[in-house]
Amino acid sequence: DTGVSQDPRHKITKRGQNVTFRCDPISEHNRLYWYRQTLGQGPEFLTYFQNEAQLEKSRLLSDRFSAERPKGSFSTLEIQRTEQGDSAMYLCASSGGRELYNEQFFGPGTRLTVL
Amino acid sequence: LAKTTQPISMDSYEGQEVNITCSHNNIATNDYITWYQQFPSQGPRFIIQGYKTKVTNEVASLFIPADRKSSTLSLPRVSLSDTAVYYCLVGPTGTALIFGKGTTLSVSS
Repeated sequence: DTGVSQDPRHKITKRGQNVTFRCDPISEHNRLYWYRQTLGQGPEFLTYFQNEAQLEKSRLLSDRFSAERPKGSFSTLEIQRTEQGDSAMYLCASSGGRELYNEQFFGPGTRLTVL
Repeated sequence: LAKTTQPISMDSYEGQEVNITCSHNNIATNDYITWYQQFPSQGPRFIIQGYKTKVTNEVASLFIPADRKSSTLSLPRVSLSDTAVYYCLVGPTGTALIFGKGTTLSVSS
């Protein structure tokens, strides 16, 4: 397995447009997390799935944000009516395999720029 | 979740040992202490995790005193490639990670 992958790596969009990001976790991992990171800050938790169930959502996740993990494998994060404040790096992580420390493995991120 | 406090930045030279201390006064009984490393334009990477006393792996050591209100990440003989942001996190395993701003370590030759 090559690790967590995210697509696209970069996305530039105009304010008001919808965008969708995809995350493919490590295959045996049942937990999947989305985070957002802005410049100079640590990642901020957005939402978390165990298999296909969305178990937790941060207050940061406004109504314009929606995430899915339909078959308990890959996940998508959609942002509707993007705003300039949505510009950030969106990180996906997975965990829940046989790792000793239950650590999260992060993907390379999708950098979103809203013009 | 327990809040953590760590230095904003640290400077070091190649070959030196670097110790980054993190304070977590309100740590709970079921909380673990975990450190992640992040390079620019990459996602964070797990370094080490501990509950109490000392943990050592091939990358670092983690020292945790008996009261668990602080911890120290020790990086032996750093190199230029250790220049990164280091995050101290406290919480139960298997849950969402709560990151602070981390410590930016700069290693010079």
